[in-house]
Amino acid sequence: GQNIDQPTEMTATEGAIVQINCTYQTSGFNGLFWYQQHAGEAPTFLSYNVLDGLEEKGRFSSFLSRSKGYSYLLLKELQMKDSASYLCAVSNAGNNRKLIWGLGTSLAVNP
Amino acid sequence: GAGVSQSPSNKVTEKGKDVELRCDPISGHTALYWYRQSLGQGLEFLIYFQGNSAPDKSGLPSDRFSAERTGGSVSTLTIQRTQQEDSAVYLCASSKGYEQYFGPGTRLTVT
Repeated sequence: GQNIDQPTEMTATEGAIVQINCTYQTSGFNGLFWYQQHAGEAPTFLSYNVLDGLEEKGRFSSFLSRSKGYSYLLLKELQMKDSASYLCAVSNAGNNRKLIWGLGTSLAVNP
Repeated sequence: GAGVSQSPSNKVTEKGKDVELRCDPISGHTALYWYRQSLGQGLEFLIYFQGNSAPDKSGLPSDRFSAERTGGSVSTLTIQRTQQEDSAVYLCASSKGYEQYFGPGTRLTVT
């Protein structure tokens, strides 16, 4: 079957670094996405990885290992506004538009 | 420019009634998705439209759910004979490439 696993909750301190892991088992692979969702709001796109390695975008980086079925989202210099749910999603189809979504990791950033 | 819009933002209905939820995607986006998100849960895929192709309805939970997209633009999700378990936030997203842009959602409460 199709499965995406990520921790349910994480806490971190303002200014610190946090890594949110995601493992997946899907029938195919055509890219992995990370989205951020603040409470009561819609998800917003953070990153897309289709090749192995690290993609860096400002304070956020995303890593992918296809052989291990593993990704992580790295958040540096944490700010209070980073408190949100982080959703990992995988495209397993030839068109990378129908996604399989994880349940999300709720990150609380404390002062 | 304008983002994805959804209406109504909130809908309270009695069990057994029909409801219609509307989504206006970003102009020029050929792909449109409907998702459902229950409290504290991940996104549940419902249906996907791509251009003039037949929609992917594989995520619709029952035959009470249906959706259409007119003129390749506006989409309506219809739930017939609503049940309490239909209570959730219904999110619409559109895309031109791999990044999905989400609307603010419709919070449906079935009493």
